[in-house]
Amino acid sequence: GAGVSQTPSNKVTEKGKYVELRCDPISGHTALYWYRQSLGQGPEFLIYFQGTGAADDSGLPNDRFFAVRPEGSVSTLKIQRTERGDSAVYLCASSRMTGNEQFFGPGTRLTVL
Amino acid sequence: AQSVTQLDSHVSVSEGTPVLLRCNYSSSYSPSLFWYVQHPNKGLQLLLKYTSAATLVKGINGFEAEFKKSETSFHLTKPSAHMSDAAEYFCVVSAHNDYKLSFGAGTTVTVRA
Repeated sequence: GAGVSQTPSNKVTEKGKYVELRCDPISGHTALYWYRQSLGQGPEFLIYFQGTGAADDSGLPNDRFFAVRPEGSVSTLKIQRTERGDSAVYLCASSRMTGNEQFFGPGTRLTVL
Repeated sequence: AQSVTQLDSHVSVSEGTPVLLRCNYSSSYSPSLFWYVQHPNKGLQLLLKYTSAATLVKGINGFEAEFKKSETSFHLTKPSAHMSDAAEYFCVVSAHNDYKLSFGAGTTVTVRA
């Protein structure tokens, strides 16, 4: 079946703008995760959803970052007032249940000019 | 808290020779340990995982890793490298059955013909 998909694959924006990054998890997966991978580093955890609710958002760097998953499937990561330091690859993963293997999407490369 | 240190940022091997990627971990709890591979423009793929069963773990594509508690290590090996093994490899730790993955900085593997 289809894997995790993320759109767009690339996003270039200007400092101060608002962006939305979308994640479509594997059908039937109840858990969804967002990670951020800065250049030359490993991915870092941002937020985890179990169903529709954010069960752990401890990795979000500040209140400019917000994520939703209103119907328990697709998730959107929203970044307000983007800064150059937000430039990174944003990865989404899903798992059948919490604690199961996480399947990753190809990521969205965000560049803030 | 959990963390991993990948001891080599870059490893270069000749095709047909062994590959060794080194990883040391730190964990307050009995850890789960993973190796993921990331090919360019593709999602992270799970190679193998250790979850307190056998200390020698076999994964996909001929890779295996050995959990050594006394050395807090989880090194990844493959007896004979193939050109298709050229990629970025991440050592990952989580508390047992936890959802929050902590990634190392990654090791880039190049394979010479």
